[in-house]
Amino acid sequence: DIQMTQSPSTLSASVGDRVTITCRASQSISNWLAWYQQKPGKAPKLLIYMASSLESGVPSRFSGSGSGTEFTLTITGLQPDDFATYYCQQYNDYSWTFGQGTKVEIK
Amino acid sequence: EVQLVESGGGLVQPGGSLRLSCAASGFTFTSYAMSWVRQAPGKGLEWVSTITSSGGSAYYADSLRGRFTISRDNSKNTLYLQMHSLRAEDTAVYYCAKPSPGAASYYKAWGQGTLVTVSS
Repeated sequence: DIQMTQSPSTLSASVGDRVTITCRASQSISNWLAWYQQKPGKAPKLLIYMASSLESGVPSRFSGSGSGTEFTLTITGLQPDDFATYYCQQYNDYSWTFGQGTKVEIK
Repeated sequence: EVQLVESGGGLVQPGGSLRLSCAASGFTFTSYAMSWVRQAPGKGLEWVSTITSSGGSAYYADSLRGRFTISRDNSKNTLYLQMHSLRAEDTAVYYCAKPSPGAASYYKAWGQGTLVTVSS
């Protein structure tokens, strides 16, 4: 099975900061990668799919990049509503795996 | 509007069984694969299982194969997860999720989740 490793596990940042979260796959997954935002007690929300496509309705301050084994989620100009936990997720050969999550906290 | 409403969670003793349901509406259920994803308290997301649109094929996380069975009733627009031999580590919120069309590679819609607690 493909393993997904996210870093960092926790990130402290201030409103207005540029934030980058990294996700590494244990083998190449082409661009079969998605990013989600989750707030406490809520279901995850899709932000980015196919590594770099912005989901409809998601603010343009969110962007994704990468292919193969290394991917990044960038938030440019962190807003108060963005303090949450973020997960990457891969798809490969009828198997789906999530990263362990990155909690973005207020500095 | 896509709606996914899970039910069937609750408290069950170790070794017991439980069946979760997910009622789907707002889209053509028969055209989409469907999945279950779970989240243990304070932990990350874990993919559990996916079933194809026809129900002809099902896929499971390696750690769960043999104890959990995913199924669907396309006449009722309902997804199921039958869970047997439950363990404390199966305690989690179980989400029903609608994958993207085609390769079903990502999840655009999620239910609110149903909590399963395995404890004596």
